[in-house]
Amino acid sequence: RKEVEQDPGPFNVPEGATVAFNCTYSNSASQSFFWYRQDCRKEPKLLMSVYSSGNEDGRFTAQLNRASQYISLLIRDSKLSDSATYLCVCGYSSASKIIFGSGTRLSIRP
Amino acid sequence: DTGVSQDPRHKITKRGQNVTFRCDPISEHNRLYWYRQTLGQGPEFLTYFQNEAQLEKSRLLSDRFSAERPKGSFSTLEIQRTEQGDSAMYLCATQVRGQNTEAFFGQGTRLTVV
Repeated sequence: RKEVEQDPGPFNVPEGATVAFNCTYSNSASQSFFWYRQDCRKEPKLLMSVYSSGNEDGRFTAQLNRASQYISLLIRDSKLSDSATYLCVCGYSSASKIIFGSGTRLSIRP
Repeated sequence: DTGVSQDPRHKITKRGQNVTFRCDPISEHNRLYWYRQTLGQGPEFLTYFQNEAQLEKSRLLSDRFSAERPKGSFSTLEIQRTEQGDSAMYLCATQVRGQNTEAFFGQGTRLTVV
């Protein structure tokens, strides 16, 4: 079983729609969580950190469910520019490596 | 440029040759990671350093791969006797040690083994 699992998609949704992704992690000791965005043939870049209480940044909302060991990303009012691959990232502790999921591909159509 | 720098950006090599990639981190970042990424997959962990110490190496990494970070600053990743299956994007990321700190990526080195 992979340490971090994501639905690869692709998610193909119309502009303006709301879309949500989940990501599950296998190690209950995971302590830090992030969502990264990766555009085609570019390096990953941080979209947002995920805090225990959940957090929001504009149209993006991230939540953590420790009991079920998953994190989620919600995108409201999606834009064409949101088309990308979204990578879920987990870290076990400050002394540990960070692990990436395989990514969820999102395509927004006009 | 104060970001993570990788060199070269592209490398084409013949099967069986050795290649070496370099990563220059953001100056105050003491943690450095190497990942490999193939099309349609997320970055796959290879190894990481805390300063000059290599803390972990992926079990999936064959002994043809070696990485160093001799002075805790730049790092090199060497692949010996390259195989076609080594063709991938090799990404370096650096981070300030600590929880909930962002890892910054370089633009990667795209390796093609022919």
